[in-house]
Amino acid sequence: KQEVTQIPAALSVPEGENLVLNCSFTDSAIYNLQWFRQDPGKGLTSLLLIQSSQREQTSGRLNASLDKSSGRSTLYIAASQPGDSATYLCAVRLGGATNKLIFGTGTLLAVQP
Amino acid sequence: DAGVIQSPRHEVTEMGQEVTLRCKPISGHDYLFWYRQTMMRGLELLIYFNNNVPIDDSGMPEDRFSAKMPNASFSTLKIQPSEPRDSAVYFCASSRGRSPLHFGNGTRLTVT
Repeated sequence: KQEVTQIPAALSVPEGENLVLNCSFTDSAIYNLQWFRQDPGKGLTSLLLIQSSQREQTSGRLNASLDKSSGRSTLYIAASQPGDSATYLCAVRLGGATNKLIFGTGTLLAVQP
Repeated sequence: DAGVIQSPRHEVTEMGQEVTLRCKPISGHDYLFWYRQTMMRGLELLIYFNNNVPIDDSGMPEDRFSAKMPNASFSTLKIQPSEPRDSAVYFCASSRGRSPLHFGNGTRLTVT
């Protein structure tokens, strides 16, 4: 059974700092991995999607990497801003015939001005 | 593109009552997912559909929960009878194949 873990559960950093969020998964047979952002009381917003054959994806100040063999992904946020404060979740899309996405429990990020 | 639309945004009901949550996926998306989010258990997949057909309902907690997708633009999640432990935020999401998943804003359900 695929399990997805995110460490740390919470993180507080000063504005301007570069930071890394971690996502681990137990079964490397994934189709892709997606990073989301969730603001309080809102739905999830897709940030980046990495296919299983890719090593990384970039969008603006965000860079996501994937090491499928070790079951790890990281989300790098450069020059953090208070507006980046949110919960960040990763989700793995299982391989094979299924189209299930399994979510991690998230990292709550607070960027202090 | 209007995004995934869910209604109602908030629902407060008494134990034993029937609750129906509604979802309109993004046009052209062939997969629809229902998730439940709680502090204790995070985001749990309840059921997903492909081309209006339920594919995997292994996450549906009990027979009190049922979901339908009568056409490509509408799905419902029904709880009958509701219980206080069903209180959670219920999300609907859709995707085209295995492309990025898009979420609605959720329905916050409170059962008293």
